[in-house]
Amino acid sequence: DGGITQSPKYLFRKEGQNVTLSCEQNLNHDAMYWYRQDPGQGLRLIYYSQIVNDFQKGDIAEGYSVSREKKESFPLTVTSAQKNPTAFYLCASSIGVSSPDTQYFGPGTRLTVL
Amino acid sequence: DAKTTQPPSMDCAEGRAANLPCNHSTISGNEYVYWYRQIHSQGPQYIIHGLKNNETNEMASLIITEDRKSSTLILPHATLRDTAVYYCIVRVNNDMRFGAGTRLTVKP
Repeated sequence: DGGITQSPKYLFRKEGQNVTLSCEQNLNHDAMYWYRQDPGQGLRLIYYSQIVNDFQKGDIAEGYSVSREKKESFPLTVTSAQKNPTAFYLCASSIGVSSPDTQYFGPGTRLTVL
Repeated sequence: DAKTTQPPSMDCAEGRAANLPCNHSTISGNEYVYWYRQIHSQGPQYIIHGLKNNETNEMASLIITEDRKSSTLILPHATLRDTAVYYCIVRVNNDMRFGAGTRLTVKP
């Protein structure tokens, strides 16, 4: 059963703690993405990776970090430097070859910082 | 990427066709039109995309005007489960720039 998984679905952390969100895909996609969504708004790109061991900042990368050590995995760390981390986080993947390149999304992780 | 304009909300009766408009007057020649939808607290779901020609798949039809400045997503027989926020996106690279979308409510 192919797809993108994100865990956990809900995550609570105390202010000042780093937290890592998991994203795994078994679609054999080269490209992976992290987005943030705030209530009533669209998605904003945090980081993306087009190939293993390489990634680029999106529009709102400050306070976040990523790694891409394996093709299947693209974890996102929300650091204590992120001023307003409470949000819905979405991971996506795509074949990554050329345009058009449809992105497929995971179910999301809702992070609440107390 | 070109900016899109969508109405903030629409209603549709169950079983009727839902026609969701999108304006993208600054679209360039190599930018595709994509549609996604998002049901509350879930990840966006891909629906359909097109460049110039009208497209149809098992979920919906996409009608793009000849000048490509606007498009319409058609759900031929809306059901209650089609209630969601629908996003129209135009893009050529891998950055999906989502706006606020149209909140479609299908009513019994």
